Amino acid sequence: KAGVTQTPRYLIKTRGQQVTLSCSPISGHRSVSWYQQTPGQGLQFLFEYFSETQRNKGNFPGRFSGRQFSNSRSEMNVSTLELGDSALYLCASSLDRAAGELFFGEGSRLTVL
Amino acid sequence: DQQVKQNSPSLSVQEGRISILNCDYTNSMFDYFLWYKKYPAEGPTFLISISSIKDKNEDGRFTVFLNKSAKHLSLHIVPSQPGDSAVYFCAASVDDKLTFGKGTLLTVNP
Repeated sequence: KAGVTQTPRYLIKTRGQQVTLSCSPISGHRSVSWYQQTPGQGLQFLFEYFSETQRNKGNFPGRFSGRQFSNSRSEMNVSTLELGDSALYLCASSLDRAAGELFFGEGSRLTVL
Repeated sequence: DQQVKQNSPSLSVQEGRISILNCDYTNSMFDYFLWYKKYPAEGPTFLISISSIKDKNEDGRFTVFLNKSAKHLSLHIVPSQPGDSAVYFCAASVDDKLTFGKGTLLTVNP
């Protein structure tokens, strides 16, 4: 069974640009959550999607957005990038609950210059 | 306001000894607690969990203890192995939303 796949694995952007990250969940998983990991803050919840609907949202500005497609694949977008957006962005999937056993991808490492 | 706190950024133990990782929380509404392990360049992997109605859950070398009155959670690894060296995150759930601690780097020395 294939795991959670995130693309791209690494990317470099400059301030003011926008970025789109992609996540393919484990087959059959309908819940997809996104987390931001930084050295000083640990894992911070961005949002969670279930059946193409945002079910929960963390405390991030509106520059951070996401969506989920009918095949459960998800994308997150960050507009007007800031230096502080440099982080590892992790996607996690589960069958239905967003707060149980989650299966994480390897993450997308974003560097903003 | 950090609702889940792991006050020890790092912990070093000898192979074969017990590793105890601690976690404190402030929100009494949390009803489910989990531990995840993360190796470098990999995503976190689920380790063990416990419901708020229990005070102990055991899975092989891993045991999680929950003290609700103290709002304290701990993970015991016995015996510790070098392959256990990783960052350990505790997480707590309410309303199907997870809050993670900042993690503790465990180093198990051979």
